[in-house]
Amino acid sequence: GDSVTQMEGPVTLSEEAFLTINCTYTATGYPSLFWYVQYPGEGLQLLLKATKADDKGSNKGFEATYRKETTSFHLEKGSVQVSDSAVYFCALTEGQVGGKLIFGQGTELSVKP
Amino acid sequence: DVKVTQSSRYLVKRTGEKVFLECVQDMDHENMFWYRQDPGLGLRLIYFSYDVKMKEKGDIPEGYSVSREKKERFSLILESASTNQTSMYLCASSLSMSGANVLTFGAGSRLTVL
Repeated sequence: GDSVTQMEGPVTLSEEAFLTINCTYTATGYPSLFWYVQYPGEGLQLLLKATKADDKGSNKGFEATYRKETTSFHLEKGSVQVSDSAVYFCALTEGQVGGKLIFGQGTELSVKP
Repeated sequence: DVKVTQSSRYLVKRTGEKVFLECVQDMDHENMFWYRQDPGLGLRLIYFSYDVKMKEKGDIPEGYSVSREKKERFSLILESASTNQTSMYLCASSLSMSGANVLTFGAGSRLTVL
């Protein structure tokens, strides 16, 4: 079945460092891809998404490009802030059914001043 | 601002108790979902509903049931709680079943079963 694999955390960076969180997927169809973020004590919220190959999603300085050839959707940010400390989840839609998301295991990011 | 509200943030129950987790959304969304979040496992889908009185099993439905009597409310029921159901439970809703559709999540209900 479809699945998502993320790099393991926790990831600890200094403020203004470059961030990459790797995400690869397996899927039989053409899923949409998402990054959700969970700040401490809160539920998940959408960070960005891409719905087809070569699409780039971006938000709040974060970017991810839907790479069908490498089945990847890596999350990047050029300069992280302390406020970016959170857990990041990569996810895909199972088939074409919206909402039936398959999530990766999550990557905890801690940014130190 | 759109909202998904989970009635209880923290619950402590005993083994064998019946547990109700309530979720209400104010966005007139068609679809509602219950996920379970465990460290190292990400989120796993328990049940979802695409219409009032309709429900579908997710990946891990065993030991759970759901109820959706009104469009805005989706309840998760643990008929007889067990310690392996200690977890964070997240409710979510979405407008439609489009593949690109976005989920809106509640803040979560952390359940401890003793």
